[in-house]
Formats: sequence, C-alpha cells, structure tokens
Amino acid sequence: GAVVSQHPSRVICKSGTSVKIECRSLDFQATTMFWYRQFPKQSLMLMATSNEGSKATYEQGVEKDKFLINHASLTLSTLTVASAHPEDSSFYICSARDRAGGEIKQFFGPGTRLTVL
Amino acid sequence: QKEVEQDPGPLSVPEGAIVSLNCTYSNSAFQYFMWYRQYSRKGPELLMYTYSSGNKEDGRFTAQVDKSSKYISLFIRDSQPSDSATYLCAMSRGTSGSRLTFGEGTQLTVNP
Repeated sequence: GAVVSQHPSRVICKSGTSVKIECRSLDFQATTMFWYRQFPKQSLMLMATSNEGSKATYEQGVEKDKFLINHASLTLSTLTVASAHPEDSSFYICSARDRAGGEIKQFFGPGTRLTVL
Repeated sequence: QKEVEQDPGPLSVPEGAIVSLNCTYSNSAFQYFMWYRQYSRKGPELLMYTYSSGNKEDGRFTAQVDKSSKYISLFIRDSQPSDSATYLCAMSRGTSGSRLTFGEGTQLTVNP
C-alpha cells in the first residue's frame, strides 16, 4: 500500500516550453500533497503544499505564477512549470499524506527529472 | 543555523558492518521523526517512523530518538550492498498541515 506515482519520469524540453508533471496516490486518498525539488547531492526543498480543492501554499521564494499547482481530486495533483528555462532543470518529487493513516507520514513518488535545453 | 543537521558523508563500510546514522535538531517542537532511504534518481522511501522519544526496531533497522539531547539515530545491522543509498532524516511538529523538515542526507556505500 501507500504507492505514489509520478508521470513522466523524465522530460527534456526546449527553453520556453511549459511542462506538466502528474502525481497520483494509487491506493489511498491524499488530502494533502507536497511538491519538492532536489538538486544533485542536496536534500529535498519544499516548493509548495497542495490541498485538495483549494489553492496551494507556496514556500518563500517559489514563484506561484511559474510553478502552477492544481489538486483537483483526492488522488491527483499536477505541477506545471510555465515557460521553463535551463535553471528550472532539476529533480521534482511529489509526496502525499495518507488521509486515513494519520497526518504525518508522507509517501513519495519516484520523481521526475526535468532537463530544459 | 539549520533546524536539522546531518553529516552528508560519504560513509563507506564493509558488508556486515553496523552502520550508525545521526541527526541533530534545534526545534524542540518536533514530535515525529522519520528516516527515509533514497536510491540514486529515485524518490525517498519511508523506512522508520517514530513518535517522541524511544526506540523502534524493524528487522535490521533500529531508530532511536533522544528528545532531551535533540538527537536521533538510525542503526543498520548486518549491512548489505543493497543498503547503499542516501539516508535522510525528517521531522515534523505534528500539527495539522505541518511540513517535514529534512536533513541533508548521508550517502552510504556498503562494499561487498
């Protein structure tokens, strides 16, 4: 149980392209999903917290107009990187909090590696 | 000062060794403590989850929390090459909606 999927697993795109990443909780309902980015040999940096049916809460320094988050259902959240540039190249990971299993445990997706040329 | 400090390593041990991984923290409001394992180019996998102080054992893994010292540990017994990964400690205050605060991660290599 507690499986989180992400799609795509990797994407290579040209500068200026918008990229959409999907995060799904496969066997549980997640009222809250989190989006992180991770640079090589660094820890996870929280970008935003996404609650089903409401607007995402962004961390300081994260541009909400650039990183658009939609959490339309209890099993799906999407992150769209608008007009991506090379500096947006990173490993993006989502996590989901199991609604039934308590508030604290977060289960992570496998990550999406974004490369912007 | 970071809220959570973790030695990034790298740490290299022979197969069968006991591995000790540690984190210290400064925020006394943290109540929940977790260890995640992350293989290269993969998402983190939840290994251990503990609330408040004490020990928790799961197979070859033991997690210890000492809130008085603000210090948590993960022990791996009989380490295997498949344990080679980055280990991240994470903590939470536990209030509704509270986030996880991660350590930097320790890169572990277990040599056959």
